[in-house]
Amino acid sequence: DGGITQSPKYLFRKEGQNVTLSCEQNLNHDAMYWYRQDPGQGLRLIYYSQIVNDFQKGDIAEGYSVSREKKESFPLTVTSAQKNPTAFYLCASSIPGRHNEQFFGPGTRLTVL
Amino acid sequence: AQKVTQAQTEISVVEKEDVTLDCVYETRDTTYYLFWYKQPPSGELVFLIRRNSFDEQNEISGRYSWNFQKSTSSFNFTITASQVVDSAVYFCALSGNYKLTFGKGTLLTVNP
Repeated sequence: DGGITQSPKYLFRKEGQNVTLSCEQNLNHDAMYWYRQDPGQGLRLIYYSQIVNDFQKGDIAEGYSVSREKKESFPLTVTSAQKNPTAFYLCASSIPGRHNEQFFGPGTRLTVL
Repeated sequence: AQKVTQAQTEISVVEKEDVTLDCVYETRDTTYYLFWYKQPPSGELVFLIRRNSFDEQNEISGRYSWNFQKSTSSFNFTITASQVVDSAVYFCALSGNYKLTFGKGTLLTVNP
């Protein structure tokens, strides 16, 4: 089955630790995205990548980093510089273009203690 | 700057009632697309529909229908004869510059 995998579903970390969230897709999509969702809020874009080895900051990139070494993978690192990292993180992918629908993974709920 | 407003934070209905979710958008682009997504309690967003700015025809898919009015910058979503399985958060989104701008979502609760 084609789709997007995010693991784990729930992640706990101590304050001050970096943590990497994984996102893998087998849809053969060139574009991938990371969003953050907080209670009662919409989705806010963290980073996006239209092609391998290239990525751009979204609206709330501070405290986060990404890499795009493979088409299938777009891991997100939440660094200790992110002041409020506890949130629900969603990864998405799409065929490249300005107006294409994005397909989402199941999400990772990160809790920083 | 692009903006999507979903003024209804929460809606509660009884099963079989019709319900309309409102979406108002702002953009300076002449070509854009509008989307609706459903987020059930499991958390994964499910794509429902994409409409382009040049097509104002209403669309119907089963119990779902969408009304796009460019004159009022609105893209409203109606569920006819709602069911408990329709309970979810629904997001409206607007495309532009290779990314989507989402509204804050409307939590729909359908009670039996």
